[in-house]
Amino acid sequence: DAGITQSPRHKVTETGTPVTLRCHQTENHRYMYWYRQDPGHGLRLIHYSYGVKDTDKGEVSDGYSVSRSKTEDFLLTLESATSSQTSVYFCAISGTGGPYEQYFGPGTRLTVT
Amino acid sequence: RKEVEQDPGPFNVPEGATVAFNCTYSNSASQSFFWYRQDCRKEPKLLMSVYSSGNEDGRFTAQLNRASQYISLLIRDSKLSDSATYLCVVNVNNQGGKLIFGQGTELSVKP
Repeated sequence: DAGITQSPRHKVTETGTPVTLRCHQTENHRYMYWYRQDPGHGLRLIHYSYGVKDTDKGEVSDGYSVSRSKTEDFLLTLESATSSQTSVYFCAISGTGGPYEQYFGPGTRLTVT
Repeated sequence: RKEVEQDPGPFNVPEGATVAFNCTYSNSASQSFFWYRQDCRKEPKLLMSVYSSGNEDGRFTAQLNRASQYISLLIRDSKLSDSATYLCVVNVNNQGGKLIFGQGTELSVKP
């Protein structure tokens, strides 16, 4: 299995509070991604990174920001959490097949009350 | 219209059965194709890439029809452990690894 960890694995927070999710990889891969998965929508890309300090928006980036100061860490921040951001968040990294084969972390279940 | 469409299922099959999943994609510029497997409350895992000539990995066979914008996955001799949701995934124009996921097809293999 690819060396990807996510923290926290579960979090309950209140509307309006900031939340940061962390993705850590030990594979030294260039590409990292944040997705959210919701019933009826499947997996949707939030943001991705193609190198240290190089990030770009995905399909559902509103309300989220990211940072990547080191190759191994990719942070996802909800500046002011809303109930619509209750979801399962997955981090992914590219595999040895280039940036198109992606490998996923175990996920973070976030509940915003 | 969704960019990647799959029959959500569930497909309920007995052990040993052959089952086929179909997927259509709308963007003719799609370049790379994959099948992922996702177990309940777990992360998606890459099952196999799909090549233009079709490819096989043990009991699993993937086919691509670019003219019809159609991808398929065939599972032969189904096992109980094959029970999962199967996700069809495409990459458009090889854009920086941006993958588009279908919603998945649920498979339940019964004894």
